[in-house]
Amino acid sequence: GAGVSQSPRYKVTKRGQDVALRCDPISGHVSLYWYRQALGQGPEFLTYFNYEAQQDKSGLPNDRFSAERPEGSISTLTIQRTEQRDSAMYRCASSLGTGVNEKLFFGSGTQLSVL
Amino acid sequence: AQTVTQSQPEMSVQEAETVTLSCTYDTSESDYYLFWYKQPPSRQMILVIRQEAYKQQNATENRFSVNFQKAAKSFSLKISDSQLGDAAMYFCAYRSGDSNYQLIWGAGTKLIIKP
Repeated sequence: GAGVSQSPRYKVTKRGQDVALRCDPISGHVSLYWYRQALGQGPEFLTYFNYEAQQDKSGLPNDRFSAERPEGSISTLTIQRTEQRDSAMYRCASSLGTGVNEKLFFGSGTQLSVL
Repeated sequence: AQTVTQSQPEMSVQEAETVTLSCTYDTSESDYYLFWYKQPPSRQMILVIRQEAYKQQNATENRFSVNFQKAAKSFSLKISDSQLGDAAMYFCAYRSGDSNYQLIWGAGTKLIIKP
């Protein structure tokens, strides 16, 4: 697609429910990144994929958070047993390659609210 | 660990005038990149300008320019001839030279343009 697409745009869920957030990167982009952005703060790194391989998941807060990218394209970030502190904007970004000079393209994010 | 500080939570400027947003960072690395990103109300995250630490020349992109003071670890963004469309949150970010995804972000500065 023309840009990084994330869905849903907004998600409201009750505490204890599982949620799945989707990211569709720019076609042909090898690398995909997930960030979390709390209100009034900059994004915080969660995890990173090259193709289908999860290269770094050091930013995932705990084992309720997981991510996958099974075919090296679309990625899903899953949060199990959501808690109110999980409420934030979840952003996805992609880049064409894996080099350090690569430009990151961000999606518009999914705003998650846990009641 | 690297840190990025934006000390101005909010700035305002009259349309057509010039405004400077401040950013300081702390690092012991010699190879790194610095970025300014714009987050408009549409919630996109758009790269405004990028500076490689090894370059002495300040980066410019049309009305946007930076004042990169490596010794002082300062990286300010100057917006000339401010336009209503410049109203947004502006984030300063740091990336190590050996990582293509571990962006470290400031807390952001909200820029208001007065017509």
